[in-house]
Amino acid sequence: NAGVTQTPKFQVLKTGQSMTLQCAQDMNHEYMSWYRQDPGMGLRLIHYSVGAGITDQGEVPNGYNVSRSTTEDFPLRLLSAAPSQTSVYFCASSQQGRNEKLFFGSGTQLSVL
Amino acid sequence: AQSVTQLGSHVSVSEGALVLLRCNYSSSVPPYLFWYVQYPNQGLQLLLKYTSAATLVKGINGFEAEFKKSETSFHLTKPSAHMSDAAEYFCAVSTGFQKLVFGTGTRLLVSP
Repeated sequence: NAGVTQTPKFQVLKTGQSMTLQCAQDMNHEYMSWYRQDPGMGLRLIHYSVGAGITDQGEVPNGYNVSRSTTEDFPLRLLSAAPSQTSVYFCASSQQGRNEKLFFGSGTQLSVL
Repeated sequence: AQSVTQLGSHVSVSEGALVLLRCNYSSSVPPYLFWYVQYPNQGLQLLLKYTSAATLVKGINGFEAEFKKSETSFHLTKPSAHMSDAAEYFCAVSTGFQKLVFGTGTRLLVSP
């Protein structure tokens, strides 16, 4: 079982560059989300989706874009990378329901110089 | 707004000792509460969750947590620590579908 797969695992960008973090799940989950993890701050929600074609903003959405064209994929786009976006990014998915457990990918470590 | 506070960014115990990781929540409605664990260079895994069915919740790897409304707490415990328990632990509250608010995390260090 692959679960939630994130690529790449590591990425270094220069300020102003754009890139897409990929996330795919094979569990047929309707719900998917992106979090960023920063030291001493826990995880913070960037964007989430409750189904194909439906996305919404989380706590820290500025500078990020998402779309959900299929149930399986939920890419996160950095439009113009900034040093403040240096972080570890996690994609998660779950079944429907507010108390359902989230399945997390192994993360993407991003550095913006 | 719903939130959680984890007391102590680091907790050190000896192998075989009691593990106690503290989490207090703030919520105006009955909360859905979770504990997740993160091993080095990995994503988070669910340890246990509280959904109002029972105040004492048992999770994986011998961990359990007790929901205390009067104290607005959901502390995580394990009677006897093992070296493999060394990890970072996050308390979280659900604010909606796919929307979790996490605490800042507690790193558990286990010494032989």
